[in-house]
Amino acid sequence: SQKIEQNSEALNIQEGKTATLTCNYTNYSPAYLQWYRQDPGRGPVFLLLIRENEKEKRKERLKVTFDTTLKQSLFHITASQPADSATYLCALDPNSGNTPLVFGKGTRLSVIA
Amino acid sequence: DTAVSQTPKYLVTQMGNDKSIKCEQNLGHDTMYWYKQDSKKFLKIMFSYNNKELIINETVPNRFSPKSPDKAHLNLHINSLELGDSAVYFCASSLTSVYTDTQYFGPGTRLTVL
Repeated sequence: SQKIEQNSEALNIQEGKTATLTCNYTNYSPAYLQWYRQDPGRGPVFLLLIRENEKEKRKERLKVTFDTTLKQSLFHITASQPADSATYLCALDPNSGNTPLVFGKGTRLSVIA
Repeated sequence: DTAVSQTPKYLVTQMGNDKSIKCEQNLGHDTMYWYKQDSKKFLKIMFSYNNKELIINETVPNRFSPKSPDKAHLNLHINSLELGDSAVYFCASSLTSVYTDTQYFGPGTRLTVL
């Protein structure tokens, strides 16, 4: 069956460290993958998109990698800050006709000062 | 100015009632979506409209009926509400229906069915 899984429900890290979040998928062949941030009581906010032919994408302190062999995307936040605390969702394009984005359940990141 | 707005933010109602949620975007986008986020936090697409035309209907009970009077508005009407309909409903929009386009989400409507 098709699945998209994010490594853990919750991740706690110390301020200043690098947070690494994992998104694994099974039985999909996405042409691209997106990462969103969701704060409590708010809608998701788009962060980054990475295409299948891109190994890495960066935006300020954020870095995303996409390994189509491992069927995995990693999302890194360097020099993390308490303001980075939120739930991070990965979403992929199933790459089959008109099927819309499929979202993972998210990882709730807490950055502790 | 809010890009994607939804009303109401909270909706508490009894089983069997009919209710509507409204969504408006002022981004000039062609495509709008309704998503459902359940208690397990999965965000799942329900419908997508492109220029007022339905393009995606993801196996949603026909008690749910979206209506798009113009491309800036996509409303969701739910008949005969059931307990399992309790969730947060998000409206979103994107420039076009191409899935690489960034989706902009509204603040969500928390629906509680008693």
